[in-house]
Amino acid sequence: AQTVTQSQPEMSVQEAETVTLSCTYDTSENNYYLFWYKQPPSRQMILVIRQEAYKQQNATENRFSVNFQKAAKSFSLKISDSQLGDTAMYFCAFMKHWGAQKLVFGQGTRLTINP
Amino acid sequence: DAGVIQSPRHEVTEMGQEVTLRCKPISGHDYLFWYRQTMMRGLELLIYFNNNVPIDDSGMPEDRFSAKMPNASFSTLKIQPSEPRDSAVYFCASSLASGNEKLFFGSGTQLSVL
Repeated sequence: AQTVTQSQPEMSVQEAETVTLSCTYDTSENNYYLFWYKQPPSRQMILVIRQEAYKQQNATENRFSVNFQKAAKSFSLKISDSQLGDTAMYFCAFMKHWGAQKLVFGQGTRLTINP
Repeated sequence: DAGVIQSPRHEVTEMGQEVTLRCKPISGHDYLFWYRQTMMRGLELLIYFNNNVPIDDSGMPEDRFSAKMPNASFSTLKIQPSEPRDSAVYFCASSLASGNEKLFFGSGTQLSVL
């Protein structure tokens, strides 16, 4: 079974700073997808960024980028120029490449951006 | 598209009562998932459907929980009888057929069992 671990329960940074959230996972699969989801106080789960394991290039979405280290089974999220609206819970998630699209989530990191 | 629609947004009930949560997936999506979120256990997959057929219900906690998908545009998650430990946020999500890995989540139902 796959497991996802987020070792930072909470983080706090000042507005405009850069912050990196950590995620490690365990799987015997070779092809899979990794995701970061954001959950603001509104409770909505919002997809931030995704990475396909067979692509070596790290995914980037505007201020959000990942550092994907397949051999180390590490998938960190970097938020540049952080904004107050980035305050949320962030979940790392894993999905097998083939078969059912079941997401396995980490426990989450609560990120607070301070003015 | 309006996205995945869940109702009610909040539900407060007393122990022993039946609770029914509802979900309308995005039109055209083939997969529907029910997740539960608690502080202790995080986000857990309860059950998922493919083309209205339950595929994997191994995450359903016990017989008090049941889920149905009578048609492509509607699903229910029922708890009978409810217990205080069922208090959680229940999310519904949907996605297109395998090969498109993006899940779209509803806003969730906050269930409180007193």
